[in-house]
Amino acid sequence: IVMTQSPATLSVSPGERVTLSCRASQSVSSKLAWYQQKPGQAPRLLIKDASTRATGIPARFSGSESGTDFTLTISSLQSDDFAVYYCQQYNNWPPSFGQGTKVEIK
Amino acid sequence: EEQLVESGGRLVQPGGSLRLSCTASGFTFSFYWMSWVRQAPGKGLEWVANVKEDGSHKDYLDSVKGRFTISRDNAKNSVFLQMNDVRGDDTAIYYCVRGGTRGDHWGQGTLVTVSS
Repeated sequence: IVMTQSPATLSVSPGERVTLSCRASQSVSSKLAWYQQKPGQAPRLLIKDASTRATGIPARFSGSESGTDFTLTISSLQSDDFAVYYCQQYNNWPPSFGQGTKVEIK
Repeated sequence: EEQLVESGGRLVQPGGSLRLSCTASGFTFSFYWMSWVRQAPGKGLEWVANVKEDGSHKDYLDSVKGRFTISRDNAKNSVFLQMNDVRGDDTAIYYCVRGGTRGDHWGQGTLVTVSS
């Protein structure tokens, strides 16, 4: 399954609302995760099952789905949120990731 | 605190072999599927292999089938990746991940560089 993320890069200011998109090439039955990766660090799970926040993830992160389209929303971007975000489907083997969206400071 | 610590990454020649190890702590290791996920320098993420809680089932990315072998030792809270006949496109940071198809918890990774 091919996962396509858009945009590749997003330039935003702290406090702004951010929306990241991910599209699956076929149905993944809500088996969709979002990860955050900062430079030199491992990815961190943010959202599982398309819309469930992982343990310890702040409420400003939310996920939604519409068919094969998925969205990660950050309600008010904090300085700690500048990073690369990946979506990943885990409905079919092998699990597959999008190419990532980099959220950078405007 | 839940921790995954990888080791074994190094420079290896094409066609060579190496074994990656990952030691877990802070959770009941035998209750979880475990996986290896890799990331080529500056690139995206790729799920390489997974192994069931008791080691009875394993899956592999097509490009590593027949060359890589995942295994685990629940008595030692460890998971391994034996890498044989390595190629240049195996160059990556290899992450040990808790979960069979979703990465609930990640180690910091170990770098494998394949080059002559």
